[in-house]
Amino acid sequence: KAGVTQTPRYLIKTRGQQVTLSCSPISGHRSVSWYQQTPGQGLQFLFEYFSETQRNKGNFPGRFSGRQFSNSRSEMNVSTLELGDSALYLCASSFGGQGEAFFGQGTRLTVV
Amino acid sequence: DQQVKQNSPSLSVQEGRISILNCDYTNSMFDYFLWYKKYPAEGPTFLISISSIKDKNEDGRFTVFLNKSAKHLSLHIVPSQPGDSAVYFCAASAGTGTASKLTFGTGTRLQVTL
Repeated sequence: KAGVTQTPRYLIKTRGQQVTLSCSPISGHRSVSWYQQTPGQGLQFLFEYFSETQRNKGNFPGRFSGRQFSNSRSEMNVSTLELGDSALYLCASSFGGQGEAFFGQGTRLTVV
Repeated sequence: DQQVKQNSPSLSVQEGRISILNCDYTNSMFDYFLWYKKYPAEGPTFLISISSIKDKNEDGRFTVFLNKSAKHLSLHIVPSQPGDSAVYFCAASAGTGTASKLTFGTGTRLQVTL
């Protein structure tokens, strides 16, 4: 079956702009989580959506937001981009209960 | 506050030998643990998991051991193969065993040499 699909794979934005990243989970998975990976902070949890509702949230500023659609696809938005937002953004899907989370290949965001 | 720690940033092992990767955690609410393998610029690949009600889980060449009293888990890879060379992350979640909010360690880079 198809894995987790993230688009786009690479993105370059200017400081102050906003960006939207997309994630299509594995078919049947209802939970989508987002993570940020940077060399300094490692892999950090951003937020999780389950059945179109944000169920968990990490310690990130309000500039980071997301949403989930009825087909479980999710989008993540970052407004007023800062240089420090440059990172690999990863999406993971799971059934939402017991079981492992499967990751997409990520979107590499570069803010210049 | 690093709740999941992987104190060895790197590990080198000869092909065919055992690789042992270690992970410590501080949050006693963690009840589900996972190991992921990651290559640069790619997403982590799930390897194996263990629930806090078990102390061992095995899948092929991979075995994870959990010592709850010591808040320690380890991943054993036997035998190690060159294709195992990657960064390995330990991750943990709290409450209901869900894998949907994971706290990751900083990773251990494993190099399997010929």
